[in-house]
Amino acid sequence: EVVLTQSPATLSLSPGERATLSCRTSQSVGSSLAWYQQKPGQAPRLLIYDTSNRATGIPARFSGSGSETDFTLTISSLEPEDFAVYYCQQRSHWPPLTFGGGTKVEIK
Amino acid sequence: QVQLVESGGGVVQPGGSLRLSCAASGFSFSNYGMHWVRQAPGKGLEWVAFIRYSASNIDYADSVKGRFTISRDNSKNTVSLQMNSLRAEDTAVYYCAKERRDAYSDFDYWGQGTLVTVSS
Repeated sequence: EVVLTQSPATLSLSPGERATLSCRTSQSVGSSLAWYQQKPGQAPRLLIYDTSNRATGIPARFSGSGSETDFTLTISSLEPEDFAVYYCQQRSHWPPLTFGGGTKVEIK
Repeated sequence: QVQLVESGGGVVQPGGSLRLSCAASGFSFSNYGMHWVRQAPGKGLEWVAFIRYSASNIDYADSVKGRFTISRDNSKNTVSLQMNSLRAEDTAVYYCAKERRDAYSDFDYWGQGTLVTVSS
């Protein structure tokens, strides 16, 4: 099973600041990594697929990068609606499909 | 627009059974694989099960294998999850999710989720 480790667990930032979230995988997943955003009481929403491709309707302030075992989600300038929990997910080696433990981006 | 609507959640005793359903609309359901993903209260996301568009491929997480059964009816645009021998650790919100494209198992649409509580 591919284990995904997200860091930090919590990121405290102010609106307008840059957010950098990390996801490391226990073995190479190539570029087969996605990012999701989840707000309280809501289903997750796909932000980024295949490392760096924004999903439909996702603003350009969200970007993804990385490869093999090290991946980054960057939010260039935080908007109030961006404070949420973010999960990474790999689809390279499955079953099982696996998710990271999440990073909570909270208002400082 | 794509819609996924889950139903069937509720409270069940340990060892009991429950059947979840997910009604899909707004896309060609018979062309896409479907997944169930769950989230225990206050916890992260856990993949549960997958069924390919034709039902030719089915996979389960080890934690539910032998207890849960995924199925689909392409004539009714529904995917179901039969859950037997339920345990307290199965308590979670269960989401159905659509794969982005065939054999690309990330999830571009999710339902709103249905809560399953296993408790005596």
